[in-house]
Amino acid sequence: DAGVIQSPRHEVTEMGQEVTLRCKPISGHNSLFWYRQTMMRGLELLIYFNNNVPIDDSGMPEDRFSAKMPNASFSTLKIQPSEPRDSAVYFCASSFFPQSNTEAFFGQGTRLTVV
Amino acid sequence: DAKTTQPPSMDCAEGRAANLPCNHSTISGNEYVYWYRQIHSQGPQYIIHGLKNNETNEMASLIITEDRKSSTLILPHATLRDTAVYYCIVNSGGSNYKLTFGKGTLLTVNP
Repeated sequence: DAGVIQSPRHEVTEMGQEVTLRCKPISGHNSLFWYRQTMMRGLELLIYFNNNVPIDDSGMPEDRFSAKMPNASFSTLKIQPSEPRDSAVYFCASSFFPQSNTEAFFGQGTRLTVV
Repeated sequence: DAKTTQPPSMDCAEGRAANLPCNHSTISGNEYVYWYRQIHSQGPQYIIHGLKNNETNEMASLIITEDRKSSTLILPHATLRDTAVYYCIVNSGGSNYKLTFGKGTLLTVNP
């Protein structure tokens, strides 16, 4: 398996534009996580899906952020409209539940810059 | 999930053992201790986890004190490639398996 695949790896966009980040989890995994990392705040969990259903979105910063998981092999994180303070590295991770207490596998991240 | 405390930074000489401490004094009986690391510009990588007993795998050893209030991650022969931020996380797993990362320990392995 190629691991968790995120695209694009880098994204530069202008303030006010819509940004869509994509994630393909490891085949067979049924839990998916979106994280955001900045120097100031570290790694923050944004949202967590289990069997394509959002379980906990308490980390989503505001209504400008939305995440979907239409099927087991694809998820998107959308920011509309984007703002400079959204600049960060966004990571997607997947794991298998109910094999509890297992490891989560992270993608290489998408570095987002909003100018 | 219980809170963890780690030193912000540590140094280690190449080839020596690196011992990274973690304090989790409020851990509850069903919570596991997980260790992840993040090498610069990469996504976090799982290292090891444990509940009560000490654990060892090809990457590291995890020593958990008998009262489970602290643990130590041991990299037996540190290499330059082990330079990374190491995160100690406490989580009960199962349906609540969502990893909450703190600031971690920056381990610098020196030649």
